[in-house]
Amino acid sequence: GAVVSQHPSWVICKSGTSVKIECRSLDFQATTMFWYRQFPKQSLMLMATSNEGSKATYEQGVEKDKFLINHASLTLSTLTVTSAHPEDSSFYICSASGSSSYNEQFFGPGTRLTVL
Amino acid sequence: GDSVTQMEGPVTLSEEAFLTINCTYTATGYPSLFWYVQYPGEGLQLLLKATKADDKGSNKGFEATYRKETTSFHLEKGSVQVSDSAVYFCALSESNNAGNMLTFGGGTRLMVKP
Repeated sequence: GAVVSQHPSWVICKSGTSVKIECRSLDFQATTMFWYRQFPKQSLMLMATSNEGSKATYEQGVEKDKFLINHASLTLSTLTVTSAHPEDSSFYICSASGSSSYNEQFFGPGTRLTVL
Repeated sequence: GDSVTQMEGPVTLSEEAFLTINCTYTATGYPSLFWYVQYPGEGLQLLLKATKADDKGSNKGFEATYRKETTSFHLEKGSVQVSDSAVYFCALSESNNAGNMLTFGGGTRLMVKP
C-alpha cells in the first residue's frame, strides 16, 4: 500500500514552454502533498505544501507564479513549471501524506526535467 | 528552527563491512525521525523510522536508535552489500507540525565495492 506515482518520469522541453507534472496517490487519500526539488548530488528542497482544495503554501524563495501547484482532489496534485528555462532543469519529487499516516510521507519516483 | 546534520560522503566500503552514518538533529518539540534511501534515478523510499526516544527502527538489516540525550539517530548495518549503494537521507518531522512536514539532512552517498 501507500503508492505514489509521478508522470512523466522524464521530460525534455524547449525553453519558454510550460511543463505539467502529475503526482497521484494510488491507494490512499492524500490530504497533503509536498513538492520537492533536488539538484544533482544534493538534498531535497521543499518547494511547497498543498492541501486538497486549498491554495498551496510556498517556501521562501520559490516563485508561486513560476511553479503553479494544483491539488484538486485527494489523489492528484499537479506542478506546472511555466515558461521553463534551463535553470529549471532538475529532479522534481512529490510526496503525499494521508490523514491516517501519522508523520509519514510517501514519495513518488521523481520526474527529471531537462530544459534545452 | 529544525535542522538535521549528516556526515558528508561519499562513504566507500567493501562488501560485508560495517556501516555507520551519523545523523544529529535539532528540534523544538518531540520529532519523529526517519531514514530514507534513494537509489540512482529514483525517488525516496522510507527505510526505517522511530517516533519516540529509545525506539529502534530496523529494516533490511539496517537499524537506528532514537537517542534523545544526544539528539542522534545514527544508521548502522553490520554487513553491507553492493546493492546497498545509494544515497541515504536522515529526516525529522515534528509531531505537532500540521501536514507532517519533513526536514532533511544533506544526504550521504554510500558506495559499496565488491
